[in-house]
Amino acid sequence: EAGVAQSPRYKIIEKRQSVAFWCNPISGHATLYWYQQILGQGPKLLIQFQNNGVVDDSQLPKDRFSAERLKGVDSTLKIQPAKLEDSAVYLCASSLDPPDTQYFGPGTRLTVL
Amino acid sequence: SQQGEEDPQALSIQEGENATMNCSYKTSINNLQWYRQNSGRGLVHLILIRSNEREKHSGRLRVTLDTSKKSSSLLITASRAADTASYFCATGRSQGNLIFGKGTKLSVKP
Repeated sequence: EAGVAQSPRYKIIEKRQSVAFWCNPISGHATLYWYQQILGQGPKLLIQFQNNGVVDDSQLPKDRFSAERLKGVDSTLKIQPAKLEDSAVYLCASSLDPPDTQYFGPGTRLTVL
Repeated sequence: SQQGEEDPQALSIQEGENATMNCSYKTSINNLQWYRQNSGRGLVHLILIRSNEREKHSGRLRVTLDTSKKSSSLLITASRAADTASYFCATGRSQGNLIFGKGTKLSVKP
């Protein structure tokens, strides 16, 4: 069974530029999560989707971050404009039935200069 | 905000020894999960314990949960160099998302 796929793996941009990350969850997983992990900390939930609906986006900085999950499968997370403090690893995870085990992708490491 | 607090922040042991990591949390939970993260890699799920369970085993892993003290512990027995990683506890909420702690860095020396 294929795992959660993410791309790109690495991205370097300058502040005020925009960036987008892509995630393909495990086939059949209805729930998809985006987490932000700053160096030295644990992951922090940004947004949770159930199929293509948003369950929780309370910690998503909506003035600059947006996410969508069209057709309830793939998802994209966008940052526009990026700030220095957005430098982090962005992790995508999926699960079959909440609340249960989440399967994480390898992450996208973003560096904002 | 982060709910879990792992203790210790860092742990260094010799191969073959046991490693114990503790986690404390603040609010009521649906379940508590432990994840491992190797340097530069994604998170791997280790074990899930539900709020009505007190102890769970999986291979060399043993997890305990004390909901009255809002704490959990992860024991890794007979550790190996390959166990070197960061270990995170995460509290599971009713809608399924997780709140992670800051993690414990485990170093197992051969």
